[in-house]
Amino acid sequence: DTGVSQNPRHKITKRGQNVTFRCDPISEHNRLYWYRQTLGQGPEFLTYFQNEAQLEKSRLLSDRFSAERPKGSFSTLEIQRTEQGDSAMYLCASSGGGIAANYGYTFGSGTRLTVV
Amino acid sequence: KNEVEQSPQNLTAQEGEFITINCSYSVGISALHWLQQHPGGGIVSLFMLSSGKKKHGRLIATINIQEKHSSLHITASHPRDSAVYICAVPSGGGADGLTFGKGTHLIIQP
Repeated sequence: DTGVSQNPRHKITKRGQNVTFRCDPISEHNRLYWYRQTLGQGPEFLTYFQNEAQLEKSRLLSDRFSAERPKGSFSTLEIQRTEQGDSAMYLCASSGGGIAANYGYTFGSGTRLTVV
Repeated sequence: KNEVEQSPQNLTAQEGEFITINCSYSVGISALHWLQQHPGGGIVSLFMLSSGKKKHGRLIATINIQEKHSSLHITASHPRDSAVYICAVPSGGGADGLTFGKGTHLIIQP
């Protein structure tokens, strides 16, 4: 297992286009998290899945954002009608613990989105 | 929900110096995370601790649960330690994610 994998590493898109990112967590981890990080800030929570169920969504996740985790394995994060304010690093993390925040997280390298 | 404050925001030091980064949080927790982020963006988990002290190589993390405070120390700092160091705690309030500090941007000059 090579850890948490995110694709693509970088994405440049024109405003108004749709983009989709993928995250492949550590295979035995049942929890998967998406975070967004803007320049100079710490990551902010977007959403999390336990297996295939999306259990929590931040109010940062507007209706242009949708995340899925079919079959409880990889996850996708789609942003529709991108805006310049969506430019950020999108980080994925996975965890195998019960009370996840008390267990170790493994982070992916992130997808850096630039909306022009 | 938990709030996290880190200090300093930026720190420049000379190679070999002893480094301390501080983290305070507002709501009692059972575990705190220290993370390292390099310019490429990837985050590496350094420590997860719930009490006392942990050591890994030249890195030492301490936590005082009563004071709601943690410190990350780097001994004999080296230019390759240059990175952003981020403290994170459980968000609380039923949320299962982490709340992150803004990070401390550390530069170690040779």
